Amino acid sequence: DQQVKQNSPSLSVQEGRISILNCDYTNSMFDYFLWYKKYPAEGPTFLISISSIKDKNEDGRFTVFLNKSAKHLSLHIVPSQPGDSAVYFCAAANMDSNYQLIWGAGTKLIIKP
Amino acid sequence: DVKVTQSSRYLVKRTGEKVFLECVQDMDHENMFWYRQDPGLGLRLIYFSYDVKMKEKGDIPEGYSVSREKKERFSLILESASTNQTSMYLCASSPLAEQYFGPGTRLTVT
Repeated sequence: DQQVKQNSPSLSVQEGRISILNCDYTNSMFDYFLWYKKYPAEGPTFLISISSIKDKNEDGRFTVFLNKSAKHLSLHIVPSQPGDSAVYFCAAANMDSNYQLIWGAGTKLIIKP
Repeated sequence: DVKVTQSSRYLVKRTGEKVFLECVQDMDHENMFWYRQDPGLGLRLIYFSYDVKMKEKGDIPEGYSVSREKKERFSLILESASTNQTSMYLCASSPLAEQYFGPGTRLTVT
């Protein structure tokens, strides 16, 4: 039973436009959410996170939105750049459970020139 | 900067061999993790450790064991490698929720 779902295996976006990656979760005990970016043959790198007490967190071109009632979060990248082409993973945690992360399956983002 | 290193980037082993994958972190993190990543399946947790000599099973521990004799080092052991263990293996360490990953080891079992 997947507790964290990324329903789009891939997404193609024109350079300069907005990329929106989505993530849904089922466990209402999750209180911390993270986005990671992964290039081929490299380990994932942390991008941005959000606590459940917030509904938005912004860092440069990256913004994460959290809708607790819908159990949904999204990552917005504006403007999209060629270097953003990668696989993006959503992860969730219950801060009372030893910080174990539950991962989505990933979305491959392709930025077209 | 946090640095997590893994002993090999690419490894080819034969079925039945014992395989050791080593991971070292330099930030004195309490928590360390081993994952495998397969296309369409995301990151699946094999084992994790919250302290020296302490280990906990993750979602897919079968066929694997781990060792953590020192805080900075977390080893993953494939007791008898099988072809279905061909995968990308990722090690991570963390002080809290945010995990820092090594570059990964692409293991092929033939």
